[in-house]
Amino acid sequence: AQTVTQSQPEMSVQEAETVTLSCTYDTSESDYYLFWYKQPPSRQMILVIRQEAYKQQNATENRFSVNFQKAAKSFSLKISDSQLGDAAMYFCAYRFPTGANSKLTFGKGITLSVRP
Amino acid sequence: NAGVTQTPKFRVLKTGQSMTLLCAQDMNHEYMYWYRQDPGMGLRLIHYSVGEGTTAKGEVPDGYNVSRLKKQNFLLGLESAAPSQTSVYFCASTTARGRGGTGELFFGEGSRLTVL
Repeated sequence: AQTVTQSQPEMSVQEAETVTLSCTYDTSESDYYLFWYKQPPSRQMILVIRQEAYKQQNATENRFSVNFQKAAKSFSLKISDSQLGDAAMYFCAYRFPTGANSKLTFGKGITLSVRP
Repeated sequence: NAGVTQTPKFRVLKTGQSMTLLCAQDMNHEYMYWYRQDPGMGLRLIHYSVGEGTTAKGEVPDGYNVSRLKKQNFLLGLESAAPSQTSVYFCASTTARGRGGTGELFFGEGSRLTVL
């Protein structure tokens, strides 16, 4: 079974600084998706960034980028120029692309606080 | 754009009562999911469906039943509610890669259920 591990329950960053959130996963598959979702206090689940395992290039979305290390099964999220609105819970997630096993498996999440 | 809609948003039950949570999506997605979110546990999969008329157990299925009689709807039932089922419930949907899917799940806003 696939597992996703986020070992840090909480992190804090100064506004305008950079922070990296860690995630590791376990799978025997070669084709899969990885995601970071953001959950603000409104509890809405918001997709931050997506990575397809067959793509070697790390995904980037504005201030958000990932460091995808497939062999090490590591998928960290870097947030640059942190803003107060980045304060939220962040979940790393894995998904097998198709078929009956196509379900999203989440890590336990990390609470990010941003200091003004 | 409605996306994924969950009803009700809030509900308080007494132990032993039954209820049904309704999830409706208007994106013609094949895959639908029910998750529960508890503090420190992340999101855990209860049941899911890969198509109309099909359902499968997730990680924490005990005490819940589901049905997918129509492609756009996925119902989660609690036959005899217990305090351990106090949680926030999320419905999500997605489509297959072969149908233009990008892998991400689209989430409803969540339903907070309290069992006294």
